[in-house]
Amino acid sequence: AQSVTQPDIHITVSEGASLELRCNYSYGATPYLFWYVQSPGQGLQLLLKYFSGDTLVQGIKGFEAEFKRSQSSFNLRKPSVHWSDAAEYFCAVGAISGGYNKLIFGAGTRLAVHP
Amino acid sequence: EAGVTQSPTHLIKTRGQQATLRCSPISGHTSVYWYQQALGLGLQFLLWYDEGEERNRGNFPPRFSGRQFPNYSSELNVNALELEDSALYLCASRYRGDGEQFFGPGTRLTVL
Repeated sequence: AQSVTQPDIHITVSEGASLELRCNYSYGATPYLFWYVQSPGQGLQLLLKYFSGDTLVQGIKGFEAEFKRSQSSFNLRKPSVHWSDAAEYFCAVGAISGGYNKLIFGAGTRLAVHP
Repeated sequence: EAGVTQSPTHLIKTRGQQATLRCSPISGHTSVYWYQQALGLGLQFLLWYDEGEERNRGNFPPRFSGRQFPNYSSELNVNALELEDSALYLCASRYRGDGEQFFGPGTRLTVL
């Protein structure tokens, strides 16, 4: 069965520190992978996506993620966190069948940023 | 370019009533998805509409239904509301092919 695991429910970092949010997926084929961010009371904004090709993906707001097939992981990174990055982050996998037709989300990681 | 819009922003109903939530996709997008984000349950896929047809459905009872109109906007109906239906309902749209899903701000449904 398809699933996404985000092992860290809450993470707290200091402003300016580096960040890595973990994501592991279970999927039988090459997955479509996404990271979304959600600010309180808001919808989801796409940070980056991986469909194929280069396994290091650059996204918006200085985020990047690396697809590692051997580890079934798609971890999100940022070299220097800003206070405005405080939000909830969701990793998702898209089912592939003539184009994916639904997203399966992880439980999310809530990021707090200390000044 | 206008994003995905949803209405209403908030909706308060009592148990047993019906709720109707609306979604307008980004212009040119033909697929509309509905997700439920309930406290403690995370984001769960509800329904997928494409070209006016229901294409896929998540693990939800039949009292969750919807439709997609010729202009690709969509409506989600929840009948016989239960307290556990209280959640943020997110709509997303996608252009045909393998593009990403763009999400609206959501409708917060509260069932009393």
